[in-house]
Amino acid sequence: DAGITQSPRYKITETGRQVTLMCHQTWSHSYMFWYRQDLGHGLRLIYYSAAADITDKGEVSDGYVVSRSKTENFPLTLESATRSQTSVYFCASSEPLSRGPYEQYFGPGTRLTVT
Amino acid sequence: DQQVKQNSPSLSVQEGRISILNCDYTNSMFDYFLWYKKYPAEGPTFLISISSIKDKNEDGRFTVFLNKSAKHLSLHIVPSQPGDSAVYFCAARGKISNFGNEKLTFGTGTRLTIIP
Repeated sequence: DAGITQSPRYKITETGRQVTLMCHQTWSHSYMFWYRQDLGHGLRLIYYSAAADITDKGEVSDGYVVSRSKTENFPLTLESATRSQTSVYFCASSEPLSRGPYEQYFGPGTRLTVT
Repeated sequence: DQQVKQNSPSLSVQEGRISILNCDYTNSMFDYFLWYKKYPAEGPTFLISISSIKDKNEDGRFTVFLNKSAKHLSLHIVPSQPGDSAVYFCAARGKISNFGNEKLTFGTGTRLTIIP
């Protein structure tokens, strides 16, 4: 199916465990992003990537690691999960504004609970 | 420091009336503004956008107005329909990194409820 998918959709883990959230897009978009959504904070950027092997931190990157070996995949890893990382995580992708109308396309989200 | 602000967490509007959602920003380097709509248990979906060189953009029932001097934008929905009930996020694009300028800064969202 074309589009952007995330897995798992729901995850419960314990404090201290390592967790990886997966994101896959089929459009070959250059840019990919990870956000977390929390009440009162809206969507906050965790990490983003401009192309394979090019990544940069967002505003809330502490405790998270990303990689992008292939254009279509952008996994997000919580190295040692904490309760404060309980959130809904969204992956998104886009092309640069220079290539046409600019918008980011979002996946359906992963609800992560850290106990 | 919140660079994009949506000061109204919620808004209720009668079906058929106009819904007006507001957004303020502080960074004058933002060059593109977008509105996203989000239903529960789904990802945000793009609704409408406006470049900083324009002051209005219209798409069907949705119109976005930009007032650069006031650093303010608004989304008008006319007429409002029950399916418009959702959370609306305002977002702004601007160069805030070492490379590229494709990042978006989002507001905290406004929950719109359309009353039948």
